[in-house]
Amino acid sequence: QVTLKESGPALVKPTQTLTLTCTFSGFSLGTSGMRVSWIRQPPGKALEWLARIDWDDDKFYTPSLKTRLTISKDNSKNQVVLTMTNMDPVDTATYYCARIHINNVFDYWGQGALVTVSS
Amino acid sequence: DIQMTQSPSSLSASIGDRVTITCRASQSISGHLHWYQQKPGKAPKILISVVSSLESGVPSRFSGSGSGTHFALTISSLQPEDFATYYCQQSYTPPYTFGQGTKLEIK
Repeated sequence: QVTLKESGPALVKPTQTLTLTCTFSGFSLGTSGMRVSWIRQPPGKALEWLARIDWDDDKFYTPSLKTRLTISKDNSKNQVVLTMTNMDPVDTATYYCARIHINNVFDYWGQGALVTVSS
Repeated sequence: DIQMTQSPSSLSASIGDRVTITCRASQSISGHLHWYQQKPGKAPKILISVVSSLESGVPSRFSGSGSGTHFALTISSLQPEDFATYYCQQSYTPPYTFGQGTKLEIK
């Protein structure tokens, strides 16, 4: 049974760095072909893909946020971590992690973590 | 980036209606097109992958079609549980972009 769960602060101040952790079970990111992504959704708005990390530690970022994002993994803990620097109120959103399966489909999602950026 | 444009942005329909949502890519994405359903307060759920492959457990009233840059999601006979927001997504190349969503509401 595949599950993912996001954790991190619910509230961050502008200019601070956000660190989110995705803890998953039911698969290993050490297995060839496995990938995990982060996706966010501002309140009432559409989904926005942020980053991807692969089993071989390849990493991809959305170009508009590339300078602010870092994705990493800890296979021993079954965790993927996303950091986003210089947070701004426009970054207020629900942040999801999702497993990527064959054909790059997001087949399992976490429940999401709402992050509010406010002073 | 590949832009994904869905239409309509919102749609009112009745139980039993047949509805179609379209998705257009700004360049050819071959068959790398997927559809998700999202209900309020919940994470998206994969419905259809690679244009027309129904995911396990998804009712057969859902179907997908298209190729290249034009794609469609059809629900043949709307049921109460189908009222939700639907997103298309391309996985042809990163960044993996989503459409802006289509909110399907009860008429």
